[in-house]
Amino acid sequence: NAGVTQTPKFRVLKTGQSMTLLCAQDMNHEYMYWYRQDPGMGLRLIHYSVGEGTTAKGEVPDGYNVSRLKKQNFLLGLESAAPSQTSVYFCASTTTESSYNEQFFGPGTRLTVL
Amino acid sequence: AQKVTQAQTEISVVEKEDVTLDCVYETRDTTYYLFWYKQPPSGELVFLIRRNSFDEQNEISGRYSWNFQKSTSSFNFTITASQVVDSAVYFCALTIFTGFQKLVFGTGTRLLVSP
Repeated sequence: NAGVTQTPKFRVLKTGQSMTLLCAQDMNHEYMYWYRQDPGMGLRLIHYSVGEGTTAKGEVPDGYNVSRLKKQNFLLGLESAAPSQTSVYFCASTTTESSYNEQFFGPGTRLTVL
Repeated sequence: AQKVTQAQTEISVVEKEDVTLDCVYETRDTTYYLFWYKQPPSGELVFLIRRNSFDEQNEISGRYSWNFQKSTSSFNFTITASQVVDSAVYFCALTIFTGFQKLVFGTGTRLLVSP
């Protein structure tokens, strides 16, 4: 099992450009999440999904959109990148077998917006 | 509202010293889980432990131990005889269930272990 994978690992964008981050998991998990990690702020939830075809806003959703067309994939889009979106992005997934299972994280994507 | 506070931003120790990382949480829920994750310099997040709100028994795993005290809303993490490989950022997190599983993270404590 690969677990949770993220593509790409690094990316540099110019202000106003768009891009999509891909998260894939092979554990048949129902819940998937996108977080951003900024220095001194821990991880903050951007969007999440409780199942295929469903998405919802987290703590810091502005400037991002998501889609979950397939159960194993969760896409995070930036339509018009801004320097404030420079961050490390983590995808995570977990099962609904219990309400309190640990989340499994991908390796992260380091995004720089110039 | 739920909140996790890790007041120690950075801790530096010399190898073989014991070190305790503090975690204080806030929640009105009676059912919740607490977690510790490790983020080594390579960047990935590694799950260390999960503890539910009804189990205050302390846990030991090798050089790692965790002390959960509901009376003080704390879930502290101790590394005994620290090693250079323990150098990482450690995150404490709180999970509640409000229709979906929500994980609230502390800001992390960076541990530097020097030889």
